[in-house]
Amino acid sequence: QPVLTQSSSASASLGSSVKLTCTLSSGHNNHIIAWHQQQPEKAPRYLMKVEGSGRYNKESGVPDRFSGSSSGADRYLTISNLQSEDEADYYCETWDSNARVFGGGTKLTVL
Amino acid sequence: QLQLQESGPGLVKPSETLSLTCAVSGASISRSTYYWGWIRQPPGKGLEWIGSIYYSGRTYYNPSLRSPFTISVDTSKNQFSLKLSSVTAADTAVYYCARHLFYDSSGYFWGQGTMVTVSS
Repeated sequence: QPVLTQSSSASASLGSSVKLTCTLSSGHNNHIIAWHQQQPEKAPRYLMKVEGSGRYNKESGVPDRFSGSSSGADRYLTISNLQSEDEADYYCETWDSNARVFGGGTKLTVL
Repeated sequence: QLQLQESGPGLVKPSETLSLTCAVSGASISRSTYYWGWIRQPPGKGLEWIGSIYYSGRTYYNPSLRSPFTISVDTSKNQFSLKLSSVTAADTAVYYCARHLFYDSSGYFWGQGTMVTVSS
């Protein structure tokens, strides 16, 4: 079963860019991951999937400021032109034939 | 417009059984390639997948969870349910239902969540 590792926190200034990382455990470099955003006191919202090739596919309605990429076991979520509403927890998720698993989440603070 | 709405008791006593239902509107559970799942989030903590079910009744559960969860589906009512017996304080959490594919995440959709507190 894969394990996902995320930094517990990140911060960036309003209008700048930030790149969040989700790292897959050894042997799972090819896994697709999903990124979810959870704004304070709200339910999570699905943002996109990111493949090992670096290709990403966003859900309808997700702003163009959000993009995905990958390198080896790392999957990234980049947010450009940070807005105050981007301050949230971001979770990655992956799956195999037996289970689904979430990363611990990254709390993003917009300064 | 797809909607998933969780319902259940907000307060459950220790050792009792927790029962939650997720009512689906805007899509048919039985005419779908999606799985229907439950995820929980203890206060101040991260997300934890509990398990998921297909309209046929096929289920899979988080192998890391030792709690006796049971997920069932009622296609006639277009809803699915979660039961957890012998609850403890550690089961206090917001419980979310969600729609997802088995090997992909396209079309992933979350319910609004329902808070469950285990306390005497």
